[in-house]
Amino acid sequence: GAGVSQSPRYKVAKRGQDVALRCDPISGHVSLFWYQQALGQGPEFLTYFQNEAQLDKSGLPSDRFFAERPEGSVSTLKIQRTQQEDSAVYLCASSPRGGPYEQYFGPGTRLTVT
Amino acid sequence: KQEVTQIPAALSVPEGENLVLNCSFTDSAIYNLQWFRQDPGKGLTSLLLIQSSQREQTSGRLNASLDKSSGRSTLYIAASQPGDSATYLCAVLDSSNTGKLIFGQGTTLQVKP
Repeated sequence: GAGVSQSPRYKVAKRGQDVALRCDPISGHVSLFWYQQALGQGPEFLTYFQNEAQLDKSGLPSDRFFAERPEGSVSTLKIQRTQQEDSAVYLCASSPRGGPYEQYFGPGTRLTVT
Repeated sequence: KQEVTQIPAALSVPEGENLVLNCSFTDSAIYNLQWFRQDPGKGLTSLLLIQSSQREQTSGRLNASLDKSSGRSTLYIAASQPGDSATYLCAVLDSSNTGKLIFGQGTTLQVKP
């Protein structure tokens, strides 16, 4: 069966541009997570959805970051007016149920802001 | 606030050696602890998951232990191979209802032929 997929795999944006990153979770998975991984660091939590509800967005670094999952499946992470410090790998993970269960990760989107 | 630390940050060993990677966490209130492997430019591959009630898990040449009371976990790799070269990440599953993972910064392993 298909795993978690993310697109695009690589994105180069000029400073100030808006970007949208897509995550397709494993079919039927209830929970979806976004993480940000800076170069040489471990991933850091951004936000969490259970079905279409965004239950935790405490990790979003600024109001330029916005995530949605309108139908409880595909999710989009949008970054407005990108800054150089937004350069990172953005990882998406899904889990079959809500709460503390094993997460399955996608390959990530590498965002470079020039 | 939960913090996860991994030591060492980098490790280089000759092929065939047994090695230990260390992970420590500050809050023992975790649901589980997971070890991941990350190859350059790739996502995360789960290696082992230890529930908070367990002491260790084994998969092939990998063995992970958990001492929740002392806030420590180790990943033991037996008879290392060049193909084991990667970054190894330790993560604890937060005790909040969201189940978010809190990661260490990783240990980058190089196994030389």
